[in-house]
Amino acid sequence: DQQVKQNSPSLSVQEGRISILNCDYTNSMFDYFLWYKKYPAEGPTFLISISSIKDKNEDGRFTVFLNKSAKHLSLHIVPSQPGDSAVYFCEADAGGTSYGKLTFGQGTILTVHP
Amino acid sequence: DADVTQTPRNRITKTGKRIMLECSQTKGHDRMYWYRQDPGLGLRLIYYSFDVKDINKGEISDGYSVSRQAQAKFSLSLESAIPNQTALYFCATRGSSYQPQHFGDGTRLSIL
Repeated sequence: DQQVKQNSPSLSVQEGRISILNCDYTNSMFDYFLWYKKYPAEGPTFLISISSIKDKNEDGRFTVFLNKSAKHLSLHIVPSQPGDSAVYFCEADAGGTSYGKLTFGQGTILTVHP
Repeated sequence: DADVTQTPRNRITKTGKRIMLECSQTKGHDRMYWYRQDPGLGLRLIYYSFDVKDINKGEISDGYSVSRQAQAKFSLSLESAIPNQTALYFCATRGSSYQPQHFGDGTRLSIL
């Protein structure tokens, strides 16, 4: 039972344009969401997060939007750069109710073309 | 030095062998996790530990065991490796709920 889904396995974007990566979840107990970026031969690294009390969080070129009614979050990268090419994972956390179990989406491979 | 160190980085072995993957961290975190990554399946939780005496199964624990030797060390064992355990394995730590995880660089395990 996949509680967190990233339905787009890959995304290709031109440099300078916007990249939008999507993530859907089913469990309404999730109240904190994180995005990670992963380069080949490295572990995932934290990128940005959002609490369910917010609908938007911004950090430089990266913005995460949360739509709780739709159980959907998205990561916007503007402008996209070739160095953003990586695999992006979303993660959902239900805090104490999940006893530390964390759920990841399948990942989306982003390719930014020069 | 890396906050989370995994050894070995790569391992090729044969079916039926016992394998141990090791993880150590310098973050001082109590919570540690083991994941495996397979193409199209993302990161799936194998085991997690909240302290030395607290170890819990994740969603895909069958065929695996773990040992939390100290706050800083969490090892994953495959008692009798099989080919479908070929994957990329990650160890991670976390300070508390609602905090990001810190990952090691992974162990690429191939079982022939």
